[in-house]
Order: sequence, then structure tokens, then C-alpha cells
Amino acid sequence: DIQMTQSPSSVSASVGDRVTIACRASQGIGSWLAWYQQKPGKAPKLLIYATSSLQSGVPSRFSGSGSGTDFTLTISSLQPEDFATYYCQQANSFPITFGQGTRLEIK
Amino acid sequence: QVPLVQSGAEVKKPGASVKVSCKASGYTFTSYDISWVRQATGQGLEWMGWMNPNSGNTAYAQKFQGRVTLTRNTSISTAYMELRSLRSDDTAVYYCARGLLLAADNWFDPWGQGTLVTVSS
Repeated sequence: DIQMTQSPSSVSASVGDRVTIACRASQGIGSWLAWYQQKPGKAPKLLIYATSSLQSGVPSRFSGSGSGTDFTLTISSLQPEDFATYYCQQANSFPITFGQGTRLEIK
Repeated sequence: QVPLVQSGAEVKKPGASVKVSCKASGYTFTSYDISWVRQATGQGLEWMGWMNPNSGNTAYAQKFQGRVTLTRNTSISTAYMELRSLRSDDTAVYYCARGLLLAADNWFDPWGQGTLVTVSS
């Protein structure tokens, strides 16, 4: 199975800050990576797929990059509604696997 | 119109089975893959399996092999996840999620609202 490791596990930031979350795959996955945002009590929401494609309706302050084994999600200017937990997910092969999550908290 | 609507919360005893439904609307059910993902309270996301609603082909995570079965009823645009021999650590919210694109992909959007399954004696 492909292991997905996110860092950091949690981060504190302020509105307006730029935040980067990293995701590393245990083996190469090309560009088969997605990012999700999840708020308490809600289903995850797809933000980015295929490493850098922004899902329809997602604000442009979210961006993704990387390839192979190392990927990043960047939020260019944090907004109050962005405080949530973020997960990366590999779609290169079964079993689909997710990172353990990064909790983004208000400083 | 909500694309994926799941059945309601369930309480089961250890050793029992549960069957969760996921009714699709607003799109051609057989054109997009469906996966099931679960999440224990305070924990991360765990993929359980995948189904092609057109062919009925499935793939399961090794962890659930032999205990989970994904099926569908195309006449009512509904997918099902059955989990057997329930244990307390199966207590979780279970989500169905649709593939984003017509091509076979595993980007999940949209998601169902989730179904809480509680396993307790």
C-alpha cells in the first residue's frame, strides 16, 4: 500500500497568513493526488485534484503543486472559513489512501 | 437536488451486519464510480472499497476483504455497502463518494452526508 504522510499534523495561523501543508507518498504517484477540506460534522470537500487542478467553486487562494512523491497545498491568504482539517489522498492505485490530516487552527 | 443521499444512523450489536444505502440523483448513476470511505470519531479518512455501477466490478481494501460487499441497484440509482461481523472499532461515520469525472478516476466529489454506525452491546 502507498503510505501518505502529511506535515505538519497541526498548524496555527492568523487570517491573512500564507500557509503550506506538505504531503509525501511512500512511492511515486505521478500527479495522482487530491486535497480535501473537512469541517467538523461535515463530509470532506474536494479542493484540488490531479495535484494542481482547482475544483469548481473553490477559491483561487487554494493551490497545489508537486509530483512523484512530494506535494504541497498552499493557501495564499487565510480566510476565517479556511480553519479546518485538510487531507491529501493518492489516486494512483488501489487501495486508495489518505494522509493522516493537518488541522489548521486559528492563532 | 442533493446528488448522494445516504440512509440513516444505525445501532448494531457486535457480530451483526449493517447495510448502508447511497441514493444518487441528478446524474446518470451508471456513469460514475462510487467509493466508500469511513471515519471513526476524531480520526482520519479510511477508504473501504470501490464499485463501478455500470459493470458491478468492485475492489476492496485488504483490511475489509471478506467482511464488506458493495452492490448496486441501477433501477433505483442506489449503491449499498454491507459490513458483516461488526466490532466495536467499526463504529464510525460511513460515507459514499462519487468519482469526479466520467473517466475512471478516484477524485471524490460529491460525497454523501454520512451515516453513523454505532456498534455496541
